[in-house]
Amino acid sequence: QPVLTQSSSASASLGSSVKLTCTLSSGHSSYIIAWHQQQPGKAPRYLMKLEGSGSYNKGSGVPDRFSGSSSGADRYLTISNLQSEDEADYYCETWDSNTQVFGGGTKLTVL
Amino acid sequence: QLQLQESGPGLVKPSETLSLTCTVSGGSISSSSYYWGWIRQPPGKGLEWIGSIYYSGSTYYNPSLKSRVTISVDTSKNQFSLKLSSVTAADTAVYYCARVLDDYGDNWVDYWGQGTLVTVSS
Repeated sequence: QPVLTQSSSASASLGSSVKLTCTLSSGHSSYIIAWHQQQPGKAPRYLMKLEGSGSYNKGSGVPDRFSGSSSGADRYLTISNLQSEDEADYYCETWDSNTQVFGGGTKLTVL
Repeated sequence: QLQLQESGPGLVKPSETLSLTCTVSGGSISSSSYYWGWIRQPPGKGLEWIGSIYYSGSTYYNPSLKSRVTISVDTSKNQFSLKLSSVTAADTAVYYCARVLDDYGDNWVDYWGQGTLVTVSS
């Protein structure tokens, strides 16, 4: 079963860029993941599916400021031109044999 | 537009069974492209996948909860349901229903319900 590791917190200034990391466990470095955003007090929202090649497909209505990339076992979510509404928890998700696995989440603070 | 709406009691007594239903509107639960899942989030904590079901009735459960979980589907009502037995305070959480896209064996959550808080307390 894959394990996803995320930093517990990150911060960046309004208008800047931030890169969040989700790391796949040993033996699972080729796995595809999905990124989800959870704003305070709200349900999560699907952002994108991200492959090991770095190719990504965003969900409907996700701003162009959100992009994905990959390197080895690491999957990244980059948010450019940070807005106040980007302050949220970000979770990565993967799957194996029809079972879903979530990372612990990264709390992003916009300064 | 797709909508997923959870419903059920917000308060359950310890040792009893938690029961929730998710009503899907704006799309068919019988689509071959999707599974339908339950995910929970204890207060202040991260997301935990509970299990998923296909419209045919095939189920997949989190091994850590499998002995207590039953997920079922009612295609005639476009609904799927969760039962979690022998609950304790540790089962207090916001419970989300979700759509899980199935893309040739790759599957990920692509749509979330708004969630419902279930508290386990006497």
